[in-house]
Amino acid sequence: EDKVVQSPLSLVVHEGDTVTLNCSYEVTNFRSLLWYKQEKKAPTFLFMLTSSGIEKKSGRLSSILDKKELFSILNITATQTGDSAIYLCAVDTGNQFYFGTGTSLTVIP
Amino acid sequence: DAGVIQSPRHEVTEMGQEVTLRCKPISGHNSLFWYRQTMMRGLELLIYFNNNVPIDDSGMPEDRFSAKMPNASFSTLKIQPSEPRDSAVYFCASSPGGGTYTQYFGPGTRLTVL
Repeated sequence: EDKVVQSPLSLVVHEGDTVTLNCSYEVTNFRSLLWYKQEKKAPTFLFMLTSSGIEKKSGRLSSILDKKELFSILNITATQTGDSAIYLCAVDTGNQFYFGTGTSLTVIP
Repeated sequence: DAGVIQSPRHEVTEMGQEVTLRCKPISGHNSLFWYRQTMMRGLELLIYFNNNVPIDDSGMPEDRFSAKMPNASFSTLKIQPSEPRDSAVYFCASSPGGGTYTQYFGPGTRLTVL
């Protein structure tokens, strides 16, 4: 059965900390892996990863994919309170998308 | 547990045709969202319903797009007439509401308009 699993389910850190969010997957056909940031209203797209070992970076956020071990990580350095959100991971198989349940990140001042 | 169900999974149509996308939210969820995803624009919120009532449709691109939620277990997104620039993945998501912001996404419908 195809699935996407995120860990941890929730995380509470202090401002300035670095966090690593995990997304592992088991799918029959892999096309790409996507990360989203979900705040109160709607998720925003962060990264799309298709190739192993190539880090994608945007400001304090970065992500990398390991297609051999079937996982991706999302790193956030020097966290800020504005980073508090649910971070979603999804895998595109070409036939459909499988979403993880998300990691809820809370950054305390 | 059945998650959010969307149909069809793939739709290929010709420009000018009417397209209807369907969504069944998770039972008991009060909010339903329609999104469009493209590589150019990322994930865009088109419209969302709360208790079957459209709350915010400011993301609907133009009059060619319409959405309905006749009851708590069914919603449609219609494009008439369709255009090639409508080609995208359309997601439906539902949320329990009541202050919970977590949204549960369906598998998506890939729409190609030729």
